[in-house]
Amino acid sequence: SAVISQKPSRDICQRGTSLTIQCQVDSQVTMMFWYRQQPGQSLTLIATANQGSEATYESGFVIDKFPISRPNLTFSTLTVSNMSPEDSSIYLCSVRTSGGNNEQFFGPGTRLTVL
Amino acid sequence: AQSVSQHNHHVILSEAASLELGCNYSYGGTVNLFWYVQYPGQHLQLLLKYFSGDPLVKGIKGFEAEFIKSKFSFNLRKPSVQWSDTAEYFCAVNPLRRSKIIFGSGTRLSIRP
Repeated sequence: SAVISQKPSRDICQRGTSLTIQCQVDSQVTMMFWYRQQPGQSLTLIATANQGSEATYESGFVIDKFPISRPNLTFSTLTVSNMSPEDSSIYLCSVRTSGGNNEQFFGPGTRLTVL
Repeated sequence: AQSVSQHNHHVILSEAASLELGCNYSYGGTVNLFWYVQYPGQHLQLLLKYFSGDPLVKGIKGFEAEFIKSKFSFNLRKPSVQWSDTAEYFCAVNPLRRSKIIFGSGTRLSIRP
């Protein structure tokens, strides 16, 4: 299994500012993902964070708005840039373990409110 | 486009009632299938998964799901629900040879004590 922690757990931010969310995993994992869960909706994949290379973004998400870093196999950051109220959401870090299990684990999430 | 459909947005049951939550997906190839649960204020947790073999899979807390390939379905069942099953349930599909998991919109389950 994998234990994931995220910082901050929640934040209230002003429009136009940026917030960086940290994700720490207790073991080395190859695959890390960032999801968004808007109020009352399902999880939407933002990007796959690749160690040593640029993140792979899903349709509708761009690097300028959601820059991602992945300096090693246990850590990643997601920045929400130039925030607007539409960015209010829960942001989730997720990892997938390798081997036959192929199980995906989720962090506790960061609840972001943009005023 | 690949998608996962959960037909019930909110299900309300009494304790001891039987539960079935529907999940259909649109992908023609081989897939891995999952049900995740999110209890109030907690992380998403894996309830059960199907990779191959017996299409009837059993998960934690008495839940089971049946993969019917011809119907592209993976419905979740429990014969007798408890108040503690109150949660949000998400069906998810991972097309093989793809890294990402696609989630359904979720079903909120409320159990009346």
